Amino acid sequence: AQKITQTQPGMFVQEKEAVTLDCTYDTSDPSYGLFWYKQPSSGEMIFLIYQGSYDQQNATEGRYSLNFQKARKSANLVISASQLGDSAMYFCARPEGNDMRFGAGTRLTVKP
Amino acid sequence: DTEVTQTPKHLVMGMTNKKSLKCEQHMGHRAMYWYKQKAKKPPELMFVYSYEKLSINESVPSRFSPECPNSSLLNLHLHALQPEDSALYLCASSRQNRGFGYTFGSGTRLTVV
Repeated sequence: AQKITQTQPGMFVQEKEAVTLDCTYDTSDPSYGLFWYKQPSSGEMIFLIYQGSYDQQNATEGRYSLNFQKARKSANLVISASQLGDSAMYFCARPEGNDMRFGAGTRLTVKP
Repeated sequence: DTEVTQTPKHLVMGMTNKKSLKCEQHMGHRAMYWYKQKAKKPPELMFVYSYEKLSINESVPSRFSPECPNSSLLNLHLHALQPEDSALYLCASSRQNRGFGYTFGSGTRLTVV
Protein backbone atom coordinates (compact mmCIF):
# COMPACT_ATOMS: atom_id res chain seq x y z
CA ALA A 1 0.00 0.00 0.00
CA GLN A 2 1.18 3.48 -0.76
CA LYS A 3 2.31 5.64 2.10
CA ILE A 4 1.28 9.27 2.49
CA THR A 5 3.57 11.19 4.84
CA GLN A 6 2.86 14.41 6.69
CA THR A 7 5.85 15.16 8.90
CA GLN A 8 4.40 18.08 10.86
CA PRO A 9 2.03 16.96 13.64
CA GLY A 10 1.37 20.59 14.58
CA MET A 11 2.04 24.01 13.10
CA PHE A 12 1.51 27.56 14.36
CA VAL A 13 1.14 30.62 12.18
CA GLN A 14 0.44 34.25 12.91
CA GLU A 15 -2.78 35.62 11.50
CA LYS A 16 -2.33 37.16 8.00
CA GLU A 17 0.93 35.30 7.39
CA ALA A 18 1.50 32.39 5.00
CA VAL A 19 2.13 28.80 6.08
CA THR A 20 3.26 25.66 4.25
CA LEU A 21 2.07 22.18 5.19
CA ASP A 22 4.16 19.29 3.91
CA CYS A 23 3.01 16.10 2.19
CA THR A 24 4.91 13.40 0.35
CA TYR A 25 3.83 10.09 -1.18
CA ASP A 26 5.81 7.06 -2.16
CA THR A 27 4.01 5.57 -5.16
CA SER A 28 5.01 5.92 -8.79
CA ASP A 29 1.50 5.15 -10.01
CA PRO A 30 0.41 8.26 -11.95
CA SER A 31 -3.27 7.23 -12.05
CA TYR A 32 -4.38 9.75 -9.46
CA GLY A 33 -3.27 13.08 -8.14
CA LEU A 34 -3.26 14.30 -4.61
CA PHE A 35 -6.02 15.90 -2.54
CA TRP A 36 -5.96 18.18 0.47
CA TYR A 37 -8.79 18.22 3.02
CA LYS A 38 -9.48 20.45 6.00
CA GLN A 39 -11.18 19.06 9.09
CA PRO A 40 -12.37 21.60 11.64
CA SER A 41 -13.29 20.52 15.16
CA SER A 42 -16.87 20.00 13.96
CA GLY A 43 -15.64 16.89 12.14
CA GLU A 44 -16.59 17.50 8.52
CA MET A 45 -13.88 16.69 5.98
CA ILE A 46 -13.82 19.66 3.59
CA PHE A 47 -12.17 19.36 0.17
CA LEU A 48 -9.69 22.19 -0.44
CA ILE A 49 -7.61 21.58 -3.54
CA TYR A 50 -6.47 18.90 -5.97
CA GLN A 51 -3.24 18.44 -7.92
CA GLY A 52 -3.42 16.13 -10.91
CA SER A 53 -0.40 13.94 -11.47
CA TYR A 54 -0.06 15.17 -15.05
CA ASP A 55 -0.70 18.82 -14.31
CA GLN A 56 2.13 21.03 -15.48
CA GLN A 57 1.23 23.95 -13.25
CA ASN A 58 0.71 24.14 -9.50
CA ALA A 59 -2.95 24.08 -8.51
CA THR A 60 -4.42 27.19 -6.91
CA GLU A 61 -7.80 27.79 -5.28
CA GLY A 62 -8.25 31.17 -3.64
CA ARG A 63 -5.84 31.41 -0.70
CA TYR A 64 -4.79 27.79 -1.18
CA SER A 65 -2.05 26.72 -3.54
CA LEU A 66 0.07 23.64 -4.00
CA ASN A 67 3.83 23.47 -4.38
CA PHE A 68 3.94 20.32 -6.50
CA GLN A 69 7.33 18.72 -7.06
CA LYS A 70 6.71 15.56 -9.04
CA ALA A 71 10.28 14.29 -8.92
CA ARG A 72 10.29 14.58 -5.13
CA LYS A 73 6.73 13.17 -4.93
CA SER A 74 5.63 16.06 -2.79
CA ALA A 75 2.60 18.35 -2.90
CA ASN A 76 2.86 20.88 -0.12
CA LEU A 77 -0.13 23.06 0.72
CA VAL A 78 0.46 26.80 1.00
CA ILE A 79 -2.15 28.86 2.79
CA SER A 80 -1.69 32.58 2.25
CA ALA A 81 -3.01 35.36 4.51
CA SER A 82 -3.98 32.96 7.30
CA GLN A 83 -7.26 33.56 9.09
CA LEU A 84 -8.41 32.41 12.52
CA GLY A 85 -10.93 30.15 10.80
CA ASP A 86 -8.07 28.24 9.18
CA SER A 87 -7.30 26.58 12.51
CA ALA A 88 -8.07 22.91 11.87
CA MET A 89 -6.58 19.52 10.98
CA TYR A 90 -5.29 19.28 7.43
CA PHE A 91 -4.97 15.94 5.64
CA CYS A 92 -3.42 15.15 2.30
CA ALA A 93 -4.83 12.08 0.61
CA ARG A 94 -4.58 9.99 -2.52
CA PRO A 95 -6.88 7.33 -3.98
CA GLU A 96 -5.68 3.75 -3.91
CA GLY A 97 -7.99 1.06 -5.21
CA ASN A 98 -11.34 1.62 -3.54
CA ASP A 99 -9.81 3.63 -0.74
CA MET A 100 -8.70 7.21 -0.16
CA ARG A 101 -5.41 6.94 1.73
CA PHE A 102 -4.76 9.74 4.19
CA GLY A 103 -1.62 11.10 5.76
CA ALA A 104 -1.45 11.39 9.53
CA GLY A 105 -2.55 15.01 9.38
CA THR A 106 -1.20 18.36 10.55
CA ARG A 107 -2.97 20.44 13.18
CA LEU A 108 -2.72 24.09 12.22
CA THR A 109 -3.28 26.79 14.82
CA VAL A 110 -3.60 30.40 13.70
CA LYS A 111 -2.61 32.90 16.36
CA PRO A 112 -4.30 36.33 16.54
CA ASP B 1 -26.99 19.78 -4.38
CA THR B 2 -23.36 19.02 -3.58
CA GLU B 3 -23.43 17.61 -0.12
CA VAL B 4 -23.55 14.41 1.86
CA THR B 5 -25.95 14.47 4.80
CA GLN B 6 -25.38 12.30 7.84
CA THR B 7 -27.74 11.72 10.74
CA PRO B 8 -27.60 11.82 13.65
CA LYS B 9 -24.72 14.19 14.36
CA HIS B 10 -24.20 12.75 17.83
CA LEU B 11 -25.18 9.36 19.25
CA VAL B 12 -24.70 7.85 22.68
CA MET B 13 -25.59 4.19 22.96
CA GLY B 14 -25.22 1.38 25.43
CA MET B 15 -23.41 -1.83 24.61
CA THR B 16 -26.69 -3.75 24.30
CA ASN B 17 -28.42 -1.20 22.07
CA LYS B 18 -29.18 -1.39 18.37
CA LYS B 19 -28.89 1.84 16.43
CA SER B 20 -28.38 2.99 12.85
CA LEU B 21 -26.38 5.73 11.20
CA LYS B 22 -27.76 7.23 8.01
CA CYS B 23 -26.12 8.87 5.03
CA GLU B 24 -27.73 10.48 1.98
CA GLN B 25 -26.42 12.10 -1.19
CA HIS B 26 -28.12 13.40 -4.31
CA MET B 27 -25.11 14.06 -6.50
CA GLY B 28 -25.61 10.96 -8.61
CA HIS B 29 -22.49 9.38 -7.18
CA ARG B 30 -22.48 5.59 -7.53
CA ALA B 31 -19.80 4.86 -4.92
CA MET B 32 -20.40 5.39 -1.21
CA TYR B 33 -18.12 4.76 1.74
CA TRP B 34 -18.07 4.42 5.50
CA TYR B 35 -14.95 5.57 7.35
CA LYS B 36 -14.12 5.36 11.04
CA GLN B 37 -11.95 8.05 12.59
CA LYS B 38 -10.49 7.90 16.08
CA ALA B 39 -9.34 11.08 17.78
CA LYS B 40 -6.15 12.60 16.33
CA LYS B 41 -5.97 9.90 13.63
CA PRO B 42 -6.79 9.89 9.92
CA PRO B 43 -9.98 8.23 8.70
CA GLU B 44 -9.84 4.48 8.07
CA LEU B 45 -11.97 2.74 5.45
CA MET B 46 -14.65 0.35 6.69
CA PHE B 47 -16.95 -0.35 3.75
CA VAL B 48 -17.31 0.56 0.09
CA TYR B 49 -20.49 0.29 -1.96
CA SER B 50 -20.28 0.52 -5.72
CA TYR B 51 -23.56 0.56 -7.65
CA GLU B 52 -25.36 -0.52 -4.45
CA LYS B 53 -23.18 -3.59 -4.10
CA LEU B 54 -20.73 -4.10 -1.26
CA SER B 55 -17.37 -4.30 -2.95
CA ILE B 56 -15.00 -4.30 -0.05
CA ASN B 57 -15.14 -5.05 3.67
CA GLU B 58 -11.96 -4.16 5.48
CA SER B 59 -12.38 -7.00 8.00
CA VAL B 60 -14.77 -4.94 10.05
CA PRO B 61 -16.39 -6.77 13.00
CA SER B 62 -19.87 -8.11 12.34
CA ARG B 63 -21.34 -5.80 14.98
CA PHE B 64 -21.17 -3.22 12.16
CA SER B 65 -23.59 -4.03 9.36
CA PRO B 66 -23.79 -1.79 6.28
CA GLU B 67 -26.80 -1.45 4.01
CA CYS B 68 -27.31 0.40 0.74
CA PRO B 69 -31.07 0.52 0.02
CA ASN B 70 -30.60 2.61 -3.13
CA SER B 71 -28.03 4.72 -4.91
CA SER B 72 -28.65 7.74 -2.66
CA LEU B 73 -28.77 6.11 0.76
CA LEU B 74 -26.25 4.32 2.92
CA ASN B 75 -26.90 2.98 6.40
CA LEU B 76 -24.65 1.56 9.07
CA HIS B 77 -26.44 -0.68 11.56
CA LEU B 78 -24.81 -0.97 14.97
CA HIS B 79 -25.37 -3.76 17.47
CA ALA B 80 -23.57 -4.84 20.62
CA LEU B 81 -20.80 -2.29 20.23
CA GLN B 82 -17.84 -1.92 22.54
CA PRO B 83 -16.53 1.27 24.15
CA GLU B 84 -13.53 1.16 21.81
CA ASP B 85 -15.94 1.62 18.90
CA SER B 86 -16.49 5.20 20.05
CA ALA B 87 -15.31 7.38 17.18
CA LEU B 88 -16.35 9.76 14.43
CA TYR B 89 -18.05 7.86 11.60
CA LEU B 90 -17.77 9.58 8.26
CA CYS B 91 -19.76 8.83 5.15
CA ALA B 92 -18.43 9.80 1.72
CA SER B 93 -19.44 9.47 -1.89
CA SER B 94 -17.62 9.73 -5.19
CA ARG B 95 -17.94 9.28 -8.91
CA GLN B 96 -16.61 5.96 -10.14
CA ASN B 97 -13.51 7.80 -11.34
CA ARG B 98 -11.95 8.63 -8.01
CA GLY B 99 -9.76 11.23 -9.62
CA PHE B 100 -12.62 13.57 -8.84
CA GLY B 101 -12.17 12.95 -5.13
CA TYR B 102 -14.64 12.21 -2.40
CA THR B 103 -17.36 14.35 -0.86
CA PHE B 104 -17.64 13.75 2.86
CA GLY B 105 -20.49 14.24 5.27
CA SER B 106 -20.06 16.01 8.58
CA GLY B 107 -19.94 12.74 10.45
CA THR B 108 -21.66 11.10 13.40
CA ARG B 109 -19.86 11.26 16.74
CA LEU B 110 -20.60 7.94 18.40
CA THR B 111 -20.05 7.27 22.08
CA VAL B 112 -20.56 3.74 23.40
CA VAL B 113 -21.13 3.56 27.15
